[in-house]
Amino acid sequence: SYELTQPLSMSVALGQTASISCGGNDIGSKTVHWYQQKPGQAPVLVIYRDTNRPSGIPERFSGSNSGNTATLTISRAQGGDEADYYCQVWDSGAVFFGGGTKLTVL
Amino acid sequence: QVQVVESGGGVVQPGSSLRLSCAASGFNFSTFGMHWFRQAPGKGLEWVAAIWFDGSKKYYGDSVKGRFTISRDNSRNTVSLQMDTLRADDTAVYYCARGLQYPAYWGQGTLVTVSS
Repeated sequence: SYELTQPLSMSVALGQTASISCGGNDIGSKTVHWYQQKPGQAPVLVIYRDTNRPSGIPERFSGSNSGNTATLTISRAQGGDEADYYCQVWDSGAVFFGGGTKLTVL
Repeated sequence: QVQVVESGGGVVQPGSSLRLSCAASGFNFSTFGMHWFRQAPGKGLEWVAAIWFDGSKKYYGDSVKGRFTISRDNSRNTVSLQMDTLRADDTAVYYCARGLQYPAYWGQGTLVTVSS
């Protein structure tokens, strides 16, 4: 088993930068992926392999991973970024998710 | 375009069985691993099961091990989840998704409610 820890919630002012953390033991040695999920919708991959953006995901979304913390950064936050965000790791044939962070854009 | 569409959800009694299906299209299905995930009402994402592209390896989350079985039919581009001995805490929206390391394509989910 591998535990991933995220803050339950956070808020960001419109146009400012949000940084969502994902803590795990030596997570920097693993590959982390991030999903955005809006109410009533399926999750959407926004960052894969620590730092890569899938096609169609704005450049405002970026990721980093080092030591015991991976981070999803959302620059110039917009109202449409309000959602739940989950970090994810694939390890030894299993998938592990963080508990999710509810991002509110003020 | 890539599509995965789940079906088979419904309301069932505790202890019963249910089989979910996921129909895939728009990509070479036989070259991708697939997952089932679930999300209980108001809760986070939970991994349920994974199957290798050729069905040679299957992995399960601890909460469903021994009760659920994942399978695939590459001739029909489908992946299935046989759920036995269902419990109330299996109530969730079940999602099918493509890709093992980072599932990039998800279906819209099918709701399973286990209730007497």
